[in-house]
Amino acid sequence: ETGVTQTPRHLVMGMTNKKSLKCEQHLGHNAMYWYKQSAKKPLELMFVYSLEERVENNSVPSRFSPECPNSSHLFLHLHTLQPEDSALYLCASSQDLGERGHFGPGTRLTVL
Amino acid sequence: ILNVEQSPQSLHVQEGDSTNFTCSFPSSNFYALHWYRWETAKSPEALFVMTLNGDEKKKGRISATLNTKEGYSYLYIKGSQPEDSATYLCAFNLIQGAQKLVFGQGTRLTINP
Repeated sequence: ETGVTQTPRHLVMGMTNKKSLKCEQHLGHNAMYWYKQSAKKPLELMFVYSLEERVENNSVPSRFSPECPNSSHLFLHLHTLQPEDSALYLCASSQDLGERGHFGPGTRLTVL
Repeated sequence: ILNVEQSPQSLHVQEGDSTNFTCSFPSSNFYALHWYRWETAKSPEALFVMTLNGDEKKKGRISATLNTKEGYSYLYIKGSQPEDSATYLCAFNLIQGAQKLVFGQGTRLTINP
């Protein structure tokens, strides 16, 4: 399997739930990213990992918690989310920081 | 506040016609400018990464130019085809610690057969 994969593709959760989004890349890339796409807003960078170290936290609320256990996997742990957190969450990877990104298909999240 | 502006927001073009649209970005702390194509129900696909003032890149019928001094980039599509219908995103990459990437809102292009 090649490219960037994300699971689940769709997720509906209540405000008190805890869930995790998973991203996997098989491209041998060193950098991985989480983005948020809300309706009628630009893509918003949330977190950046380089060589499994978090190098950017773009003022994201603590109810979003990233984890990068190795260079191929990236998680986004979600807890006590708000309805306004409903969005498309995209994962991407690049060979190194600043290089062209390869995006996954995204997880469509709905918070009730 | 960093702002990346894309214009127009949406565009309808007749098949076979050529078109272009603009990305404007801050001219300071520039590192790179990215263009992506995002088709409905698919992942964003990288088109170009441009770093040098005056850079011009080409991929088939699509090309892009870059002016870092005045802070703009143009994307051109020659002889539009229905498969060119997509949202075209530009992203400004500045040096700020770990190279912050700021996206524009996109230009939604629809090619009419």
